[in-house]
Amino acid sequence: MQMTQSPSSLSASVGDRVTFTCRASQNILTYLNWYQQKPGKAPDLLIYGASTLQTGVPSRFSGSGSGTDFTLTISSLQPEDSATYFCQQGYSTPYTFGQGTKLEIK
Amino acid sequence: EVHLVESGGGLVKPGGSLRLSCAASGFTFSTHSLSWVRQSPGQGLEWVASITSSSSVKNYGDSVKGRFTISRDNAKNSLYLQMNSLRAEDTAVYYCVRRNQMLSGDYYFENWGQGTLVTVSS
Repeated sequence: MQMTQSPSSLSASVGDRVTFTCRASQNILTYLNWYQQKPGKAPDLLIYGASTLQTGVPSRFSGSGSGTDFTLTISSLQPEDSATYFCQQGYSTPYTFGQGTKLEIK
Repeated sequence: EVHLVESGGGLVKPGGSLRLSCAASGFTFSTHSLSWVRQSPGQGLEWVASITSSSSVKNYGDSVKGRFTISRDNAKNSLYLQMNSLRAEDTAVYYCVRRNQMLSGDYYFENWGQGTLVTVSS
């Protein structure tokens, strides 16, 4: 199963609303998870089950979607949100990740 | 607080073997499934293998099947990855990960170690 993220990179300003897209090659219901990875660090879980916020993650992050199309939204971009964001399908093995979207703060 | 600490990475020649270890703390180790996920330098993430709490079910990614073996020792709160017949394309940071599952069935990677680098080169 392939996971395709778009765009591959984007640049936005502090306070902007930012949306990332992830598309699965087949129906994965709501079995979609999002991770944030900063340079030199391990990924951190942000959202699981397409829309459930992991404990401790700021409420400006939200996720939506079902079936094959999913979005991750940051409602008001903060400087510390500069990172690469990955989606991952938890529907079946092999669990697959998208190639990532690199977010830069202008 | 959940802690996962990998060790055992290093430089190995193609065709060689290496055994990674992961020491876990901060949660009830024997009741959780665990996984290894890797990331090649500058690349994306690739799921390698998973093992259930009692070791009854083990799954592997196609690229490592038949070469890698995942195991655990619940008495020692430790996870392992035995890697044989290593190839240049196995070069990556290997993360030990605690896998969780929603009641609905979604599998996700909740906690990650800091990773250990494996380099396969002659």
